[in-house]
Amino acid sequence: DIQMTQSPSTLSVSVGDRVTISCRASQSISSWLAWYQQKPGKAPKLLIYQASSLESGVPSRFSGSGSGTEFALTISSLQPEDFATYYCQQYTADSPWTFGQGTKVEIK
Amino acid sequence: VQLVQSGAEVKKPGSWVKVSCKVSGGSFRSDTFNWVRQAPGQGLECMGRIIPILDIADYPQKFQGRVTITADKATTTAYMELSGLKSEDTAVYYCAKSSGYGMDVWGQGTTVIVAS
Repeated sequence: DIQMTQSPSTLSVSVGDRVTISCRASQSISSWLAWYQQKPGKAPKLLIYQASSLESGVPSRFSGSGSGTEFALTISSLQPEDFATYYCQQYTADSPWTFGQGTKVEIK
Repeated sequence: VQLVQSGAEVKKPGSWVKVSCKVSGGSFRSDTFNWVRQAPGQGLECMGRIIPILDIADYPQKFQGRVTITADKATTTAYMELSGLKSEDTAVYYCAKSSGYGMDVWGQGTTVIVAS
């Protein structure tokens, strides 16, 4: 199975900060990568698919980049509602799908 | 598209549980339906997926032999059965739809508690 490794595990930030979360795949996954946001007690929400495509209705302050094995999620100016846990997930056709371990974005 | 899951379950160690996910709208036959679980305070874990039109399920190594995912095209319902339950299987279990680009619609989650 493909392993996904996120860093950092926790980010302590302030409103208005630029935030970048990294995700590395154990082998090339082309652009078959999604990013999710999860708040406590809620199901995850899809933010980004195909590494850099913004899901409908998601604010433009969220962006994704990368291909192959290295990916990043960037929040250009963190808003109060963005404090949450973020997960990357690979969805290649010929392998079981896997998530990264998550990155918690908390208030500094 | 809406995914509505069955209710919470309390199970004994060594038993099995079957969770359902009723799908309304969308293209049930050609979409992919995934099962993802989250233990208390832990991250998200893929348990497997199925494409109903192909009737083929795929599982991560960790769950092979213990998880069975099926789909009933007549009732547009997906199922996840987990056997040999242990206390570590206590978690919230989600079904989620994918049309090829990430999991864009999620069920509300089903809590499964394994305790003696």
